[in-house]
Amino acid sequence: AQSVTQLDSQVPVFEEAPVELRCNYSSSVSVYLFWYVQYPNQGLQLLLKYLSGSTLVKGINGFEAEFNKSQTSFHLRKPSVHISDTAEYFCAVSDSNYQLIWGAGTKLIIKP
Amino acid sequence: DVKVTQSSRYLVKRTGEKVFLECVQDMDHENMFWYRQDPGLGLRLIYFSYDVKMKEKGDIPEGYSVSREKKERFSLILESASTNQTSMYLCASSFWGYGYTFGSGTRLTVV
Repeated sequence: AQSVTQLDSQVPVFEEAPVELRCNYSSSVSVYLFWYVQYPNQGLQLLLKYLSGSTLVKGINGFEAEFNKSQTSFHLRKPSVHISDTAEYFCAVSDSNYQLIWGAGTKLIIKP
Repeated sequence: DVKVTQSSRYLVKRTGEKVFLECVQDMDHENMFWYRQDPGLGLRLIYFSYDVKMKEKGDIPEGYSVSREKKERFSLILESASTNQTSMYLCASSFWGYGYTFGSGTRLTVV
């Protein structure tokens, strides 16, 4: 069965600093990969997705992620974070039935 | 943009009550899902549906049922609410492998 590991439950970072949120998945077949963001007391919103093509995927709010097949990773990055990026971020991979398998989430904490 | 609308943002119910959580999507998606989200436990799938009148159990179906009489509507039913069903409930829809669209969530408190 597929699984998704988000290596950090919390990532504290200073405002305007760069950030990387790590995600690894287990799969031997082609996958679709996703990052979602959840602001407090909200539903989840799609940040970006990798379906095929370029391994560098750009998303909303200045985020990007790189698909690395050999390392089975899909890390999320932003060069300069703002206080408004405070949220929980979820990585997900689709299974063979197109259901999403979710990571446990990473809380991004922005320090002023 | 696809919209997924959950009927209530906040709900307070009494133990033993029958509770209906409604979810409607407007983009003709085949697939719909109900999750619950609790601190430290992540997203847990309760039920999902690939078509009208079709339902499949997820990881934690006990104490819940669902109804999908029309393609756009997927209802979650708590037959007899209990305090351990206090949670955030999230509905989502999808068109196969292209990712899910979520509603805003319903925070249910059972007292």
